[in-house]
Amino acid sequence: KQEVTQIPAALSVPEGENLVLNCSFTDSAIYNLQWFRQDPGKGLTSLLLIQSSQREQTSGRLNASLDKSSGRSTLYIAASQPGDSATYLCAVRQSYGQNFVFGPGTRLSVLP
Amino acid sequence: DGGITQSPKYLFRKEGQNVTLSCEQNLNHDAMYWYRQDPGQGLRLIYYSQIVNDFQKGDIAEGYSVSREKKESFPLTVTSAQKNPTAFYLCATTGGAGYGYTFGSGTRLTVV
Repeated sequence: KQEVTQIPAALSVPEGENLVLNCSFTDSAIYNLQWFRQDPGKGLTSLLLIQSSQREQTSGRLNASLDKSSGRSTLYIAASQPGDSATYLCAVRQSYGQNFVFGPGTRLSVLP
Repeated sequence: DGGITQSPKYLFRKEGQNVTLSCEQNLNHDAMYWYRQDPGQGLRLIYYSQIVNDFQKGDIAEGYSVSREKKESFPLTVTSAQKNPTAFYLCATTGGAGYGYTFGSGTRLTVV
């Protein structure tokens, strides 16, 4: 059974720092991996989608990498801002079955 | 403007009452999903549907029911059999294998 973990569970950094969030999964048979952002009381907003054949995706200050063989993905946030404060979740779409499996999330606080 | 819409945003249920949460999408996606999120916890899959007139139970289907009569719509009914329904409910949709999830903005259900 696929299991997804995220480290750290919470992170607090001063504004301007570059930071890395980690996502690990146990079964490498995936179609893709997706990073989301969730603000309190809101739905999930998709940040980046990486297909299993890709190594990384970039959007603005965000860069996500995928190493399928080792079961790892990282989300790199450059020059963090207070507006980046949110919970970040990763999810993998398995190549068997039809569902995504979610990690528990990393709660990020960027202090001004 | 394509997307997925959940309504209402807030819903209050009395003991013993059934309530229905609405989820509509205009992305022309076949697959739709319902998740439950409790404070400090991850997303748990309630039901999903990959095609009209067909749906499958997720990990926590007891006390819930769904229908999929139209491609665009996947309503969730929280029945009186669900003993602890207070939670944040999220609906999602996805296309084929290479697609990611698109989430609605959520419905917060509270038992009064």
